[in-house]
Amino acid sequence: GQQLNQSPQSMFIQEGEDVSMNCTSSSIFNTWLWYKQEPGEGPVLLIALYKAGELTSNGRLTAQFGITRKDSFLNISASIPSDVGIYFCAGHRYGNKLVFGAGTILRVKS
Amino acid sequence: DVKVTQSSRYLVKRTGEKVFLECVQDMDHENMFWYRQDPGLGLRLIYFSYDVKMKEKGDIPEGYSVSREKKERFSLILESASTNQTSMYLCASSLASLYTQYFGPGTRLTVL
Repeated sequence: GQQLNQSPQSMFIQEGEDVSMNCTSSSIFNTWLWYKQEPGEGPVLLIALYKAGELTSNGRLTAQFGITRKDSFLNISASIPSDVGIYFCAGHRYGNKLVFGAGTILRVKS
Repeated sequence: DVKVTQSSRYLVKRTGEKVFLECVQDMDHENMFWYRQDPGLGLRLIYFSYDVKMKEKGDIPEGYSVSREKKERFSLILESASTNQTSMYLCASSLASLYTQYFGPGTRLTVL
């Protein structure tokens, strides 16, 4: 079963606002990944984090690998309507498998 | 850019039919994965493969089998489709040394 707690479950924000979401776990992870999924499509990789404390940006997106290795954060600045979708975190601990969060549904009011 | 393709975007099958879902990746990745995604249940791993002809069960393998005869291709087989296998099926691939998975566009399967 899922071992990552992702919050919030959903957000309905005004265009132009900044967005923050996070994933936490009771276990240590070696890699954190953030994906975005649009309706009817597969998840698309946004950011990959490989070291504790790492802060990485991809355009208006910024993600951080928590220093304890038990959490990760994703921020979206100045949201736009095309940011709508479901954002998933995923973590790697051992073996070949990933553990996924349940997703944060983002809706943007224009 | 990594490209993972799935043979069908939408598929409608009848109960009891044998169903094949195909996935192809073009980045020489060693690992390939099949997931199903259902509302409220998130992504659940069905099977994965870390090499040609090798496979390992994921969290929900019952009712499914897989085949990996070539490195770039990973097939998911529903031997006898049932209505509870109606779902979105996602294929992914990754390098053996890096755990970043890249997903295909998904196949929406409906079993009537």
